[in-house]
Amino acid sequence: AQSVAQPEDQVNVAEGNPLTVKCTYSVSGNPYLFWYVQYPNRGLQFLLKYITGDNLVKGSYGFEAEFNKSQTSFHLKKPSALVSDSALYFCAVRDGLDSSYKLIFGSGTRLLVRP
Amino acid sequence: EAGVTQSPTHLIKTRGQQATLRCSPISGHTSVYWYQQALGLGLQFLLWYDEGEERNRGNFPPRFSGRQFPNYISEVNVNALELEDSALYLCASSGGASGSYEQYFGPGTRLTVT
Repeated sequence: AQSVAQPEDQVNVAEGNPLTVKCTYSVSGNPYLFWYVQYPNRGLQFLLKYITGDNLVKGSYGFEAEFNKSQTSFHLKKPSALVSDSALYFCAVRDGLDSSYKLIFGSGTRLLVRP
Repeated sequence: EAGVTQSPTHLIKTRGQQATLRCSPISGHTSVYWYQQALGLGLQFLLWYDEGEERNRGNFPPRFSGRQFPNYISEVNVNALELEDSALYLCASSGGASGSYEQYFGPGTRLTVT
């Protein structure tokens, strides 16, 4: 069965410090991986994706993520956090063998960047 | 370019009533996906429409139904509303089965059932 785990409910970092939000996944076929961000009372905003190719993918607002096949992980990173990055972050996976094209989401990680 | 739009923003219904939610995809996108974001349950896949056809549905009862019009706008109907249907309903669009992989989300419709 497809699943995504975000082991941390909340991540706290100081502004200017690097941040990491963790994600691990389980699928039967090749994984298509995504990160989304949700601000209060808003929909989900696409940040970045891994489909194939380079394991390090760069996305919007200075975020990047590293695909690690052996560890089945896709951690979100940013070299220098901003207070405005504070939001709810979701990791999602689509199983390459699943013809439904649906996304399976993790439970979300709340990022709090303190000034 | 306009993003995904949803209406209404908020909807308050009483138990047993019906609710209709609407989604307009990004221009050129043929696929519309619906997700339910309920408190404590996370984001759950509800329905997928592509080229006017229902392609897949998640683990929801039959009182959740929908359709996609020829202009790719989609509606979801929830009949016989129950208290646990209270949630944020998000729709997303993508380029369809042969299009882009990522899904772009609208702002959601918050459904409250009392």
